[in-house]
Amino acid sequence: QSALTQPPSVSGSPGQSVAISCTGTRSDVGRYNHVSWYQQPPGSAPRLLIVEVSRRPSGVPDRFSGSKSGNTASLTISGLQPEDEADYYCSSFTDTTTWVFGGGTKVTVL
Amino acid sequence: EVQLVESGGALVQPGGSLRLSCAASGFIFDRHGMNWVRQAPGKGLEWIAHISDKSLSIYYADSVKGRFTISRDNARNSVSLQMNSLRVEDTAIYYCARDNYWASDYWGRGTMVTVSS
Repeated sequence: QSALTQPPSVSGSPGQSVAISCTGTRSDVGRYNHVSWYQQPPGSAPRLLIVEVSRRPSGVPDRFSGSKSGNTASLTISGLQPEDEADYYCSSFTDTTTWVFGGGTKVTVL
Repeated sequence: EVQLVESGGALVQPGGSLRLSCAASGFIFDRHGMNWVRQAPGKGLEWIAHISDKSLSIYYADSVKGRFTISRDNARNSVSLQMNSLRVEDTAIYYCARDNYWASDYWGRGTMVTVSS
């Protein structure tokens, strides 16, 4: 199972919006709504941000939003804040009953 | 409060074995599947194993299939990962995570496994 494709890095100034894409195939992102997003600050464990494409767990700020179109899912951070600087990973369930992660995207707040 | 605490990480030689454990608390353990996810130094996340709530369904990534075995003890609220035939490329932080709606919603802090001669 190949990793989902994410851009290596994105950046933005405080208050701006940034979007991270996550491209898979018809066997994973395109087939299921079991797409999730994670935030991992340096030296920390990952934290769940988005589940089932677009649902935010309790405690996740509403500036984080998710969507999906075809084989590509997206995470948008609206109103970028300094504490949003971290690595972000997408993940999808697949038709071989496994999970696959994206390669990760480093978000830099300028 | 949900807590997951991994243990068992160590330095081991190639070809060796290691058993990781994850102690869970703060939730009804036998109502959730559990995942192991690893992260090699400076690299991204890699899902490696899943076990369902009652151990009826078990899945592995191709990279560890046949070498690693996931198991759980619902009486002790714990999940384990038996790792055999370890390779240098298995060097990573190993995270235990709770499964919820096909996502890992709570994570432990991880335990470091180093495979080196």
